Amino acid sequence: DQQVKQNSPSLSVQEGRISILNCDYTNSMFDYFLWYKKYPAEGPTFLISISSIKDKNEDGRFTVFLNKSAKHLSLHIVPSQPGDSAVYFCAASARNNRLAFGKGNQVVVIP
Amino acid sequence: DVKVTQSSRYLVKRTGEKVFLECVQDMDHENMFWYRQDPGLGLRLIYFSYDVKMKEKGDIPEGYSVSREKKERFSLILESASTNQTSMYLCASSLRGTRSDTQYFGPGTRLTVL
Repeated sequence: DQQVKQNSPSLSVQEGRISILNCDYTNSMFDYFLWYKKYPAEGPTFLISISSIKDKNEDGRFTVFLNKSAKHLSLHIVPSQPGDSAVYFCAASARNNRLAFGKGNQVVVIP
Repeated sequence: DVKVTQSSRYLVKRTGEKVFLECVQDMDHENMFWYRQDPGLGLRLIYFSYDVKMKEKGDIPEGYSVSREKKERFSLILESASTNQTSMYLCASSLRGTRSDTQYFGPGTRLTVL
């Protein structure tokens, strides 16, 4: 069963606007969450993470929000740039050395 | 800066061939992982290893085996390649016992089985 779910497989956004990616999880043991970015023919690169003791973490144009009660997190990219066009994976950890990944969201930023 | 390298970026093999995919990391990480990525299916864990000579099955181990003889090297073996193993294969590593389980990925190997 899919413990980490990313709906809306693709998103198109104008350059300069906000991109919002959503992720839901089912396992209440997850306490650390990560976002990865992946370009075609390359491996995923770590983007940003958040611990369950926080509800927000910001790094430049990227902000992750966590709503533990709803088992929901989101990634905001502001402003979106053409280089942000990629697949974004949400991942979660229960501190057991494994990550559970979502299926990914394709983001296309239109210049 | 973590560096994970994979032996080939692109590989074409024939059905029934034995295939070796090699992964090396240079950050002294204990944990190493093999995933495959397919459109619409995300990243699926094949095998992982917590230490030298240790291995654990992931979610889709059928048709694969692994070898970890040295800490820095983790090999994925397809004993008899089949067309449904055509995929992007990704290796990753992480430090054991950290707060985050952040994994660092190699560039991937695009395997085509004809």
